[in-house]
Amino acid sequence: AQSVTQLGSHVSVSEGALVLLRCNYSSSVPPYLFWYVQYPNQGLQLLLKYTSAATLVKGINGFEAEFKKSETSFHLTKPSAHMSDAAEYFCAVSEDFNKFYFGSGTKLNVKP
Amino acid sequence: DVKVTQSSRYLVKRTGEKVFLECVQDMDHENMFWYRQDPGLGLRLIYFSYDVKMKEKGDIPEGYSVSREKKERFSLILESASTNQTSMYLCASRGGGNYGYTFGSGTRLTVV
Repeated sequence: AQSVTQLGSHVSVSEGALVLLRCNYSSSVPPYLFWYVQYPNQGLQLLLKYTSAATLVKGINGFEAEFKKSETSFHLTKPSAHMSDAAEYFCAVSEDFNKFYFGSGTKLNVKP
Repeated sequence: DVKVTQSSRYLVKRTGEKVFLECVQDMDHENMFWYRQDPGLGLRLIYFSYDVKMKEKGDIPEGYSVSREKKERFSLILESASTNQTSMYLCASRGGGNYGYTFGSGTRLTVV
């Protein structure tokens, strides 16, 4: 069985500060891992994905995530937050690229 | 770019009505999915389809059915809408390879 835990339903950072959004997963086999972003009243857009190549994955808009097998984690980071980063972020896991299991989401607030 | 189009952004229906949510994708993807999104619960898979006329139950299929008569169109049907089906509904599609989902913009359904 697969599950995803996102620690913190709301995260608030100041503009220019480090963004860290946490994701831990459970999977019985090596997983594929994803981060999606959702802006208000829109669908989800793919930020980045891990597919068993490099453990540090770079995505769009300056975001990156590191797969740590020993910690079963796939935390999302960005060195310097921008106001436009305010959105809801979802971590997802899949074993077969078909069924995806999503976390409950983390809303990122960026303060000026 | 792959486009996934959901026919309605906002929908208000009465309890007991039969409701159709339509989703069309334009990239010849085999796989299509319906999720519902609720605050604090993330995205939960309702139904998915690997091919025309094929359907599989997801994690929360009760109260829903689906139809896939053509490859590009995947319809979600609420046979008798109830207030607990008030939610955001997201359609997604996926082609082959190691790509993630492409999501539509969502339909926010309110059942009164």
